[in-house]
Amino acid sequence: DGGITQSPKYLFRKEGQNVTLSCEQNLNHDAMYWYRQDPGQGLRLIYYSQIVNDFQKGDIAEGYSVSREKKESFPLTVTSAQKNPTAFYLCASSSLGQGAGLDTEAFFGQGTRLTVV
Amino acid sequence: AQTVTQSQPEMSVQEAETVTLSCTYDTSESDYYLFWYKQPPSRQMILVIRQEAYKQQNATENRFSVNFQKAAKSFSLKISDSQLGDAAMYFCAYSYGGATNKLIFGTGTLLAVQP
Repeated sequence: DGGITQSPKYLFRKEGQNVTLSCEQNLNHDAMYWYRQDPGQGLRLIYYSQIVNDFQKGDIAEGYSVSREKKESFPLTVTSAQKNPTAFYLCASSSLGQGAGLDTEAFFGQGTRLTVV
Repeated sequence: AQTVTQSQPEMSVQEAETVTLSCTYDTSESDYYLFWYKQPPSRQMILVIRQEAYKQQNATENRFSVNFQKAAKSFSLKISDSQLGDAAMYFCAYSYGGATNKLIFGTGTLLAVQP
């Protein structure tokens, strides 16, 4: 079945540690995205990538890093510079372009809950 | 910058009744896409309905329909014959599409369905 897989489902990080969240898709989508979800704030864009080996910062990129070495994979690293990393992280992918009939739906993974201990 | 506003943090509806969730947005673009996503307790984001701005006809998906008012920049979701399984967080989202297709989300409305 086609879809997006995020792992792990739960992740615990100690103060000062870097952790990496995995996101893999087999939908042949060009674009991939990372969102952070906090209570009362909806989803906020961290990073996005339109093509392999290229990515752009979203609205809250500070303290995060990404890579896009393969079309299928877009891992997110939460670095020690992220002051408040406890949140729910969602990865998504979609096709690109614009026009009548073009499918622009974003598909989401099941998320990773990151907790600082 | 584009923004999406959901002014109802929480809503409640009786089973089998109809409820409308509100959403307004701000953009200077003339062509764009609007979405309603549902997030149940499992936290999986599920697309409920999509509207292309160039289409004047309101989108409908079974019990879900929208009232798209382009001039007013309003995009409300109507759920008819509400079911217990409709209880979830609902997010309104905007996308310009094009080269990035990134979504901008509202803060969500938590819908409770009373039996």
